[in-house]
Amino acid sequence: DAGITQSPRHKVTETGTPVTLRCHQTENHRYMYWYRQDPGHGLRLIHYSYGVKDTDKGEVSDGYSVSRSKTEDFLLTLESATSSQTSVYFCAISESDTGDTQYFGPGTRLTVL
Amino acid sequence: KQEVTQIPAALSVPEGENLVLNCSFTDSAIYNLQWFRQDPGKGLTSLLLIQSSQREQTSGRLNASLDKSSGRSTLYIAASQPGDSATYLCAVKGGAGSYQLTFGKGTKLSVIP
Repeated sequence: DAGITQSPRHKVTETGTPVTLRCHQTENHRYMYWYRQDPGHGLRLIHYSYGVKDTDKGEVSDGYSVSRSKTEDFLLTLESATSSQTSVYFCAISESDTGDTQYFGPGTRLTVL
Repeated sequence: KQEVTQIPAALSVPEGENLVLNCSFTDSAIYNLQWFRQDPGKGLTSLLLIQSSQREQTSGRLNASLDKSSGRSTLYIAASQPGDSATYLCAVKGGAGSYQLTFGKGTKLSVIP
């Protein structure tokens, strides 16, 4: 299995609270991604990174920000969590943007009350 | 916008049966197609990656085919086992001017002993 860890694995928070999820990889892959998975919607891309300090928006980026200060770490921040952000969040990595397999982390289950 | 459809949404088969899962996509200008497996409460495990120039890939009892011109892929599972029970996700990279991975909503497979 690709060396990807996510923390925390489970979190319950209240509306309006800031939340940061961490993704850590040991594979030295250039590309990192954050997805959310919701019933009826499947997996949707939130943000991705193509290098240190290089990030871009995905399909559902509103309400989320990201940062990547080191190759191995990609942070997802919910500045002010809302109930609609209750979801399972997955981090993924890949060596290239077009030709390679994406490997996924174990996920973080976030509940916003 | 690239759209990916998986049919059927759920499938139940007796152990030992051969089966086919279907995936279709709307824009054929893709880089590759990937099949994943997801067990309940777990992350995604990559099964097979087919590049746009390839017609099929095989791994053990799994065979995936790609017909890019018609926007279709199939995942063939031979001699199904109860351990194959999981949700199978199809994802395409690219299409509709995007470099990103677009997922189908999955087929939930149950293999009955």
